Amino acid sequence: SYVLTQPPSVSVAPGQTARISCGENNIGSKSVHWYQQKPGQAPVLVVYDDSDRPSGIPERFSGSNSGNTATLTISRVEGGDEADYYCQVWDSDSDHQVFGGGTKLTVL
Amino acid sequence: QVQLQESGPGLVKASETLSLTCNVSGGYMINYYWSWIRQPAGKGLQWIGRIYNSGSTNFNPSLKSRVTMSVDTSKNQFSLKLSSVTAADTAVYYCAREGRDYHYYYMDVWGKGTTVTVSS
Repeated sequence: SYVLTQPPSVSVAPGQTARISCGENNIGSKSVHWYQQKPGQAPVLVVYDDSDRPSGIPERFSGSNSGNTATLTISRVEGGDEADYYCQVWDSDSDHQVFGGGTKLTVL
Repeated sequence: QVQLQESGPGLVKASETLSLTCNVSGGYMINYYWSWIRQPAGKGLQWIGRIYNSGSTNFNPSLKSRVTMSVDTSKNQFSLKLSSVTAADTAVYYCAREGRDYHYYYMDVWGKGTTVTVSS
């Protein structure tokens, strides 16, 4: 069964680049999806299929996936990006969706 | 665009069955999976399960023995039942649509969530 490991927290200054990792053995063979959740709100899909963006998501949000780590990159970070971020994959061994534990992004 | 809205009791007694419904508006239910996800206060997301418009289901192995899902495409809604609830089932429950471009599904539309508290 997949266990997706994310750092509990990441901090970055405004205008800098934030990188949030999602680790699991051979995750590069999976499609990884990322969600942003602001306090009191439902999650929002920000990256799907490793690196594609839904319409309406800024180009500052990008994703990559290789080997044992998938990464969500947020360029030119703004205060409005402060949120919890979750990665997600499909566990084909037991046919269910799996979320990472989540990463709290703090904008200093 | 497609919108989802959860409804159901906000308070359920321990050992009873939690029942929620998600109403789908602004779109069709065919060719998508329809999911339930929950989030205890201050914790992460847990996927409960999903149902296809045909009625085919997948469940989280840790909850499978207690979960039932149904879909009614004529009413544009789908439902969740979770039996034998305990305090550990207290959470915000979200419904979501699972769509895909290629092979794997992701949750591209979410409801606002509904809080369910299990009381003793």
